[in-house]
Parts: sequence; C-alpha cells; structure tokens
Amino acid sequence: GAVVSQHPSRVICKSGTSVKIECRSLDFQATTMFWYRQFPKQSLMLMATSNEGSKATYEQGVEKDKFLINHASLTLSTLTVTSAHPEDSSFYICSAIWTSGRGAYNEQFFGPGTRLTVL
Amino acid sequence: AQKVTQAQTEISVVEKEDVTLDCVYETRDTTYYLFWYKQPPSGELVFLIRRNSFDEQNEISGRYSWNFQKSTSSFNFTITASQVVDSAVYFCALRAGSGNTGKLIFGQGTTLQVKP
Repeated sequence: GAVVSQHPSRVICKSGTSVKIECRSLDFQATTMFWYRQFPKQSLMLMATSNEGSKATYEQGVEKDKFLINHASLTLSTLTVTSAHPEDSSFYICSAIWTSGRGAYNEQFFGPGTRLTVL
Repeated sequence: AQKVTQAQTEISVVEKEDVTLDCVYETRDTTYYLFWYKQPPSGELVFLIRRNSFDEQNEISGRYSWNFQKSTSSFNFTITASQVVDSAVYFCALRAGSGNTGKLIFGQGTTLQVKP
C-alpha cells in the first residue's frame, strides 16, 4: 500500500517554543490530509482537514492560531504547534487520502505518528 | 450526528481464547464505510478491514472475522484462538460524508490484553 511518513517521530521541547511536524505521502499525491491528536489511553481526535492549496478546516475547539497547518504541495503537509505548553504533549498522527480515480474509493493511509513532549 | 461506540474499554483473555470486540455506530448517511484498526504499543495504526454500507457479508481473514449487521448498527470483530501478539488497542471507525474524502470518526478503543 501507499506510504505516509512523519518527521520527526519523537520531539521534546521546552515550553514556549514552536514545533513543526511534517507529513509526507511518499509514493502518491494527496489532495487531502488529516491531522489527529491522541492523548494517552484515549482515542484519535481529528484536529483539522488539510487541502492542498487552501486553508485548513479546523474541528470545533481546535485553535487554528496555535496549530498552524500548511499543505503547500500534493505530497507535504505541516503542522506547527506554536508556543507549545505541557498540555500540548500528545501523539500527533497524520493521514493522507489517495485518490484512485473518478468514482473509486479513496483510501486513507496513516503516518506512524509523532510523539511530542513539552517540558 | 456520527458516532462510534466501543463499550468495552479493556478486555483480558488467556491465550487461545476467542474474543469479540464490539462496535456500534450511528450515522444518517446511507453510504458510509466502517473500519477496524490495530494500534500496538509503537503507536502506528495498522489497517485491518474496511466494509462499505452496502456489503453486509461477514468476512474472515485467518483468525480474524467481522460481523456487520446494519439492523443493529454493529460491526463486531472476533479474534479466534487469540495470541499474545494480538495484545493492542483496537479502534473501530466510521467514515461518512460527501465527496469520498470524509473524515474518520474513531471509537474510544478497546485495549486487548492476551496473557500467555
């Protein structure tokens, strides 16, 4: 199947700094990518939908000024956690939609996740 | 509203036992997709199965089987002869909405522990 990568896989930062997480579709073009957040022992919660060339659509309760999403190309979306605080510590997972053709089912592939720890 | 409920938070079984993980979903859409994912301790989601709303056939893949019943809005997952390697968190998810790029709504997850 298609491969989605995330970088970094793990990051530790000090409170107040900004952290950028990259999500890449390695062997396909993804017009749509999703960003999820998962707190320990909890489910995945969708944060935002990222569409190439347009502004991201954020879910209710997610601060768009704090979680900046840029989908500048068909293979790359970035999530920047600005002025990170300990409560932002979480597991961030991206996924990318593979458009197989008109009318066909569009498969969603997940990245391996990025574990963010804010001290 | 769309919702996925996995009522079992944690299940513990002994190796070789059969175990069923329950999933109940809610949606008003007539076209939707249901999924099961496995999340081992590493965190990476492993895709197990996708089922669309028009296909109620049960599916078997090795020790895994799935029972999809629209009448009860359920999509249960059974592991036969469980093994220690099956220990993980299992998520049921629903994808509905327009454009064939609908977002996934995840259930709360069921943590399965298989003891030797």
